[in-house]
Amino acid sequence: SAVISQKPSRDICQRGTSLTIQCQVDSQVTMMFWYRQQPGQSLTLIATANQGSEATYESGFVIDKFPISRPNLTFSTLTVSNMSPEDSSIYLCSGTVLTEAFFGQGTRLTVV
Amino acid sequence: QQQVKQSPQSLIVQKGGISIINCAYENTAFDYFPWYQQFPGKGPALLIAIRPDVSEKKEGRFTISFNKSAKQFSLHIMDSQPGDSATYFCAASMINQGAQKLVFGQGTRLTINP
Repeated sequence: SAVISQKPSRDICQRGTSLTIQCQVDSQVTMMFWYRQQPGQSLTLIATANQGSEATYESGFVIDKFPISRPNLTFSTLTVSNMSPEDSSIYLCSGTVLTEAFFGQGTRLTVV
Repeated sequence: QQQVKQSPQSLIVQKGGISIINCAYENTAFDYFPWYQQFPGKGPALLIAIRPDVSEKKEGRFTISFNKSAKQFSLHIMDSQPGDSATYFCAASMINQGAQKLVFGQGTRLTINP
């Protein structure tokens, strides 16, 4: 199993600014992912965080808006850049061990 | 083709009853079907999962039924308890193709009345 810690757990940010979310895993995971979840809604995959190389983004998400780093097997960051109120959401980090995916508790972002 | 459709959107069950949530998929390349449970303010947690080579998997009060020909799978919660009140997500991925990213259903908000 894996325990995933995210920080911050929540933040309120001004539009036009950027926020970096950190994700730390307590053990090595095969893959790491970043998801977005609107309150009361499903999870949408933003990107796969690749160790030591550029992340792989899903349709509708771009690197300039959501730059991702993964410098090692247990740590990743997601930056939400040039924020607008539409970016208000919950951002979740996930890591997989074999077939099982583990999730952090999420970062609740509000952009005002 | 990447969608997983989940129903119902919300469900109310009496304590001790059976809760049933259904999912359907189109992409036959999916080969791993997990169910996640999410409580408010928490990330999703794996509840139970199934591969398409079996038609049913049971873990305690939770059972997945899988119908490969119909491309459908369902979660049954027996003897439902108030502590089961949460949002449940079905998901699918293509493990054999090395793609462990999950495609989630829309979610079902389950309420168990005492």
